[in-house]
Amino acid sequence: QVQMVQSGTEVKKPGASVKVSCKAFGYTFSDYAISWVRQAPGQGLEWMGWISGFKGDRYYAQKFQGRITMATDTSTSTAHMELRSLTSDDTAVYYCARDTISGGTTGRYWGQGTLVTVSS
Amino acid sequence: DVVVTQSPLSLPVTLGQPASISCRSNESLVHNDGNTYLHWFQQRPGQSPRRLIYNVFNRDSGVPDRFSGSGSGTDFTLKISRVETEDVGVYYCMQGTHWPFTFGPGTKVDIK
Repeated sequence: QVQMVQSGTEVKKPGASVKVSCKAFGYTFSDYAISWVRQAPGQGLEWMGWISGFKGDRYYAQKFQGRITMATDTSTSTAHMELRSLTSDDTAVYYCARDTISGGTTGRYWGQGTLVTVSS
Repeated sequence: DVVVTQSPLSLPVTLGQPASISCRSNESLVHNDGNTYLHWFQQRPGQSPRRLIYNVFNRDSGVPDRFSGSGSGTDFTLKISRVETEDVGVYYCMQGTHWPFTFGPGTKVDIK
């Protein structure tokens, strides 16, 4: 069955970078895309960006432009999201979610979430 | 960016009674391809979101039929015909028609 398995909890200092991975099981990785969504403590869901599992086309929310990079490795069916220049406002649970190859029909399957804590 | 709003933000409900959540966008969510990419998610405490409804009214497999979605254009509704204890959580609508995709603020459903 389809599963999205994310990497483990991270603790980072302000100014550092974090890389979260999301390994997909149970479907052909290149037939779908991945959206990344985050949720700060006690807050709602925030869509961060999207990357195709096929060509690697990507779209980033403007809020993160310049300090986010999404990538895929089709050989391991894994998506990666790197966020740089971290501040305490980036403390959140980060989720990956499967999306359609054209984008838009997000979230049939989600990862378990990766807690990233930014603290000095 | 498309702004998505929800009402109410808090919804105390009586077990066995119906519940309804409204979701509105400031732009039409009808895509150029004719589809409307408006989805509903449930998030129980401590869990990842779970999609209930996609493209306005399509129920995901395994979702109880007491959940239904409706609407068009800029105005959408999620209905629960008879609320059960397991329905407690936060419900989000999300639009996937316009880049960047955006979520509503969430509606917290709990039992009176």
